[in-house]
Amino acid sequence: DGGITQSPKYLFRKEGQNVTLSCEQNLNHDAMYWYRQDPGQGLRLIYYSQIVNDFQKGDIAEGYSVSREKKESFPLTVTSAQKNPTAFYLCASRRTGDQETQYFGPGTRLLVL
Amino acid sequence: LAKTTQPISMDSYEGQEVNITCSHNNIATNDYITWYQQFPSQGPRFIIQGYKTKVTNEVASLFIPADRKSSTLSLPRVSLSDTAVYYCLVGEAGEYGNKLVFGAGTILRVKS
Repeated sequence: DGGITQSPKYLFRKEGQNVTLSCEQNLNHDAMYWYRQDPGQGLRLIYYSQIVNDFQKGDIAEGYSVSREKKESFPLTVTSAQKNPTAFYLCASRRTGDQETQYFGPGTRLLVL
Repeated sequence: LAKTTQPISMDSYEGQEVNITCSHNNIATNDYITWYQQFPSQGPRFIIQGYKTKVTNEVASLFIPADRKSSTLSLPRVSLSDTAVYYCLVGEAGEYGNKLVFGAGTILRVKS
């Protein structure tokens, strides 16, 4: 059963703490993406990666970091520099060369304690 | 990147056909038009994609006029479960099609 998984479903962060959101896909897709969604808003691109060991900043990368050591995995770290991290985080993947069809995970909701 | 404009919200009743129009006046030659559906607290789901004329699948139809400056998503005989946010996106396929811009979308409310 192929797809994208994100964990955890809910995550709580204390002030000054770094937290890491997991994203795994078994679709053999080359490109992966992280988006942030605030209530009533659309999705905003944080980071994306077209290939292993390579990634680019999106529109709102400040306060976030990523790694792409394996094709299947694209974890997102929300650092203490991100002052307003409360949001719904969505991971997506796309097969390179495909028309712009992204496949999204179920999301992680991050809350600040 | 081409900017899109959609209605903020629409109301409909079960069994009706719903048409959501999206404007994208600055669409580029290599851009495709894609629609996604999102339910609360879930990731968006691909509905349909097209380049020109008409595309139909088991879920919806997409109508694109010759000038491609707009597109219309048509949902036949909606049900309560079609209540969701619908996003229209315009982006280039392939290597450079990495940045999709999701606007606020259209909130569709289907009533019984």
